[in-house]
Amino acid sequence: GENVEQHPSTLSVQEGDSAVIKCTYSDSASNYFPWYKQELGKRPQLIIDIRSNVGEKKDQRIAVTLNKTAKHFSLHITETQPEDSAVYFCAATGANNLFFGTGTRLTVIP
Amino acid sequence: DAGITQSPRHKVTETGTPVTLRCHQTENHRYMYWYRQDPGHGLRLIHYSYGVKDTDKGEVSDGYSVSRSKTEDFLLTLESATSSQTSVYFCAIRRTESSYNEQFFGPGTRLTVL
Repeated sequence: GENVEQHPSTLSVQEGDSAVIKCTYSDSASNYFPWYKQELGKRPQLIIDIRSNVGEKKDQRIAVTLNKTAKHFSLHITETQPEDSAVYFCAATGANNLFFGTGTRLTVIP
Repeated sequence: DAGITQSPRHKVTETGTPVTLRCHQTENHRYMYWYRQDPGHGLRLIHYSYGVKDTDKGEVSDGYSVSRSKTEDFLLTLESATSSQTSVYFCAIRRTESSYNEQFFGPGTRLTVL
């Protein structure tokens, strides 16, 4: 089945700096790559996604890029704010299901 | 929140007892999922359903069973709970109107097995 690896596991940045989280996947048939944000004690929330026919997608301060040839995709957060502090999960579609990375704990230092 | 609720939200039980967790949705989505979340493992799929009485196993299905007798309810049963099943359990739905696997999660159930 699909295997998704996510790096780094923890990331600390100063407020206002950028943060980048990277994921790789194994199944070349995967065609959908969502990102979830999970605050402490809360449910994972879908924040942005990208489909295999697109190379980049932006939504305000967040963007995702996809390199199908290399089978990796990344989440970019610019002008980070304290409320961006959370655990972020990437995922990839394999068959009918989503396979998740192990998460990145982002801490934004005021 | 995509109209998803889970019950109970917290449960403490003893090893060897059966436990059933309920996921309820109000929007008639066909696909429903059960995940467990553990530190260092992210979210791992236990079972999923693609319609009433239609279910299939995920990557960590041992020790778990599911049932879906109505579109709106998806039940997860731990036949005989073990300490290794202490976890946070999330239910999710896949939006029917999307051709991609957009999933939205319920609030979670924290289960402790003593």
